[in-house]
Amino acid sequence: DSGVTQTPKHLITATGQRVTLRCSPRSGDLSVYWYQQSLDQGLQFLIQYYNGEERAKGNILERFSAQQFPDLHSELNLSSLELGDSALYFCASSVGQGAPHEQYFGPGTRLTVT
Amino acid sequence: GQSLEQPSEVTAVEGAIVQINCTYQTSGFYGLSWYQQHDGGAPTFLSYNALDGLEETGRFSSFLSRSDSYGYLLLQELQMKDSASYFCAVRDAAMDSNYQLIWGAGTKLIIKP
Repeated sequence: DSGVTQTPKHLITATGQRVTLRCSPRSGDLSVYWYQQSLDQGLQFLIQYYNGEERAKGNILERFSAQQFPDLHSELNLSSLELGDSALYFCASSVGQGAPHEQYFGPGTRLTVT
Repeated sequence: GQSLEQPSEVTAVEGAIVQINCTYQTSGFYGLSWYQQHDGGAPTFLSYNALDGLEETGRFSSFLSRSDSYGYLLLQELQMKDSASYFCAVRDAAMDSNYQLIWGAGTKLIIKP
């Protein structure tokens, strides 16, 4: 158990809909990273927040947005969903802000868009 | 562009040694990491190399050659529980100059008794 929690574990929704994924980092970690993992693929970095501020941005679509709240939990919002958005979405956390090599991953949210 | 290449699948026998290679092409380089991911599970950190050479952590070792843009993960005394996917990741600067991890597509390690 990494100490990172994610909800929900599974999500099934229809095209065009909007969903929100939630992540709570390990106690003491200030950075939260969001990743997308499509079937049998590596992880695609989406976005990082550090202590409430956006810190780094990867290949995140404009339909996707995220935020980190004062209690350090983070939410990833996915809108106008398409079939291709079906994937595992992981949240990871770390103490520092510089995307250190050792990141702690949550169990993921499996999103299925039908 | 940025890319990391690793074999899609490797098969080995329980008790043997296996090497998983990773070659990378990135705009910057700030170290190579290895993660393990069991089916349906989350990635977990295994090792990290910032400098050339071999790093050993128990049954697992990781090697880096920056001049060759190449690294590998060596697993010894294979156990059935080592059956998983293994990802290499390079720490590089993101589009906005902040750091990010760039990931390979993963190598599925199949261990036979």
